Amino acid sequence: GNSVTQMEGPVTLSEEAFLTINCTYTATGYPSLFWYVQYPGEGLQLLLKATKADDKGSNKGFEATYRKETTSFHLEKGSVQVSDSAVYFCALKGTGGTSYGKLTFGQGTILTVHP
Amino acid sequence: GAGVSQSPSNKVTEKGKDVELRCDPISGHTALYWYRQSLGQGLEFLIYFQGNSAPDKSGLPSDRFSAERTGGSVSTLTIQRTQQEDSAVYLCASGDRANTGELFFGEGSRLTVL
Repeated sequence: GNSVTQMEGPVTLSEEAFLTINCTYTATGYPSLFWYVQYPGEGLQLLLKATKADDKGSNKGFEATYRKETTSFHLEKGSVQVSDSAVYFCALKGTGGTSYGKLTFGQGTILTVHP
Repeated sequence: GAGVSQSPSNKVTEKGKDVELRCDPISGHTALYWYRQSLGQGLEFLIYFQGNSAPDKSGLPSDRFSAERTGGSVSTLTIQRTQQEDSAVYLCASGDRANTGELFFGEGSRLTVL
């Protein structure tokens, strides 16, 4: 079945540092890939997405590129802020059969940014 | 309302009791999902509805868990004879007909089984 693996957390950075959160996946066909974010006290919300190989999703200074050859969708930001402190989830949407429509999530990575 | 609404936000129950969790999706959204988030774990898929039918029930952990959706809107997740390992945050999300994968999540129902 489909699966998503994220780098172990938690991740602690100083403000303006560079961020990478690794995400790899296992899936048949051509899944769509997503990053969701959960800020403290809030529900999960979509951060960015990519629907086909080599697509780059971007939002709020975050970027991720859909790499089919390495089955990866790593999240990056050049300069993090304290307000980026949150839990980040990588997710995959299946393309066929009973997988269609189902989002499979990774285990989440806690990011804490200090001033 | 404008967003996905879940109730109750907090539920404490005794082992062996039944609980019902409710989800009111965004108006017009035909896709509805239930996930479970345990401490230190990711989001565990439970069940997915398209309209009133559930094409994928594969994530329900046991036959103590059931879910229904009526009128293509409100959904109820029922856990019978609760166990301590059922303690978690139960999240509901809805998506539009195109089901692009962009889901809108509620804030969850935190269940504690004593």
